[in-house]
Amino acid sequence: DTEVTQTPKHLVMGMTNKKSLKCEQHMGHRAMYWYKQKAKKPPELMFVYSYEKLSINESVPSRFSPECPNSSLLNLHLHALQPEDSALYLCASSQGWLGNQPQHFGDGTRLSIL
Amino acid sequence: AQTVTQSQPEMSVQEAETVTLSCTYDTSESNYYLFWYKQPPSRQMILVIRQEAYKQQNATENRFSVNFQKAAKSFSLKISDSQLGDTAMYFCAFMNYNAGNMLTFGGGTRLMVKP
Repeated sequence: DTEVTQTPKHLVMGMTNKKSLKCEQHMGHRAMYWYKQKAKKPPELMFVYSYEKLSINESVPSRFSPECPNSSLLNLHLHALQPEDSALYLCASSQGWLGNQPQHFGDGTRLSIL
Repeated sequence: AQTVTQSQPEMSVQEAETVTLSCTYDTSESNYYLFWYKQPPSRQMILVIRQEAYKQQNATENRFSVNFQKAAKSFSLKISDSQLGDTAMYFCAFMNYNAGNMLTFGGGTRLMVKP
């Protein structure tokens, strides 16, 4: 069983829809991450939150909007996505942002844009 | 910047046999960590094993062990007594100790364990 829970597991949406992906962890971790993964490729880092503050934005288009309401929860708000945004979106968390802090991943949300 | 290279896109092994997955990396840093992650069809990225660069002793976790050659910048993963459940995508990853908790992934190796 994964300790990082992502919902929904699958999402199909049109290009004009607004939806949100949710990630939750109860391990007391203070760093949380969003990754995008295309088929047969490694994950690509999108955002990093440390102590509920956005630390890194890897030049992600503004149609992706992250939010960290508290230390256990991370959201990714989606709006006006493009077909090329179809991918697996992985959330991860780690104890902290510095040093040797292994990342624990969720099962991901498979997103399809029509 | 660092790069991680996995030269074997796909591999296969018979059940109960041993297989070695290759990983090389390029960095000018001296303090770093290396990881192997497994991603089965269920999609979750699972940490298999990690190695601190300052440790000379190779890490082991049950049937999984690494051969860490710091001078050669090589970090291979050996899976002994392969099981069907080992079928997955395997990613080698690098973390610079001084640059936060960011992972640089290799391109991955797809491993198929055959009965």
